[in-house]
Order: sequence, then structure tokens, then C-alpha cells
Amino acid sequence: TQLLEQSPQFLSIQEGENLTVYCNSSSVFSSLQWYRQEPGEGPVLLVTVVTGGEVKKLKRLTFQFGDARKDSSLHITAAQTGDTGLYLCAGAKRIRGSQGNLIFGKGTKLSVKP
Amino acid sequence: NAGVTQTPKFQVLKTGQSMTLQCAQDMNHEYMSWYRQDPGMGLRLIHYSVGAGITDQGEVPNGYNVSRSTTEDFPLRLLSAAPSQTSVYFCASRLLRGPDGELFFGEGSRLTVL
Repeated sequence: TQLLEQSPQFLSIQEGENLTVYCNSSSVFSSLQWYRQEPGEGPVLLVTVVTGGEVKKLKRLTFQFGDARKDSSLHITAAQTGDTGLYLCAGAKRIRGSQGNLIFGKGTKLSVKP
Repeated sequence: NAGVTQTPKFQVLKTGQSMTLQCAQDMNHEYMSWYRQDPGMGLRLIHYSVGAGITDQGEVPNGYNVSRSTTEDFPLRLLSAAPSQTSVYFCASRLLRGPDGELFFGEGSRLTVL
């Protein structure tokens, strides 16, 4: 069961353009993480958002957590070729007391052309 | 500065063969997990462990076994490989049992079952 819907699945843009990736769910998460994955490597954490309505900025990347903690977005301003990669959102679900796991979306494959 | 180490990086098996994917972390992390990544499916949790001697099933556990005899090691065993297990496997760890912390991933093990 895929709890996190990520869109779009593929995105091909020119350098300098802006883009937004969405991550939606009907479930509430204790936090939401965004990872970036390069070919042949494991995902690497970009950011964790914890509070509903929270906005975090990482240089040209802006992450937002929905007020109800069910959805999130990643906005990239003036994309560069170095932003090319697979972007994954992951919602944190608690299952037993302090334990829990991350549920991943299917990912957005971003290609930024020069 | 090893982090999470997976071996082997590539493996080809015949249907019915068994094998073990190795995973080791040197960060004294409490939580370790195995994910599989398939095109269009994102990362799906196979098994996880919140400490030595404790393992539990994830979303797609069938056909896989795990054990956690030490804090450092978390091997994944395929008992009788099937073509449906062709995938890229990632081991990931984090410091604490709770789901909100950063997951550190290995570089992945690409498995092909003929």
C-alpha cells in the first residue's frame, strides 16, 4: 500500500527554470523527510520538516510541510544541471511507542538540461 | 569514515539459489533496515531491526530472512531466489528507534535473478 503519492514522476526542464515537486497523503506523519539520490548511490537526506506549516530553505531549495502534516512540497528556484537526480519524499510513521519507519514516495526523476 | 557498507555491489543468481547480502555500520546505530528499489515503485521496506536480537517485518518481507546478532551487522538472506527478487537492495541505518531521524544508506547491491 503506497501511502505517499509523489508528483510528477518525471520532470525535464531547462537550466534557470523553477519547479515544484509534491508529496501527498491521507495519513498524518510525525515528520517528513526529503532525500536526493544520484545514479548508483544511496539516497542522501536533504531536509527534515517536523512542524505543520513549517518552511525550510536550503539555498535554492524550499521545503514546506502542510498544516495538517499530511503533505509536503519541494520548490527549486533557478534550477541548475547539478540539481539533476531522483528526489524522494518519506513520511515518518510511528508504530509502537517510540518505534517507527519511513514510508517512501515513488520519487521524482528530475533532469535539468543546460 | 565508512558509514554503511554493503557487499556485494553486484550479484547474478539462478532461480532457486540462496545468498546473503551483507550490511555493516560503524556508527553505533540502534536501527537498521533493508529496502528494495524497483523502477516506478520507490523504496519498499523489507525488514528492520531496532537493536541486537530484535527484528521485524516491513512491507514486503516474503522470501527474505534477517538476523541481528550484533549492533553492527544486519545481513539479508534470500532463501530461494526468484526472478521477482531482481532489484537494487539498500541497507540503511539511523541512530535511534524513532522514525524521525536521518537514515544513512549504503551504496546498494544490484541483484539479478535469472
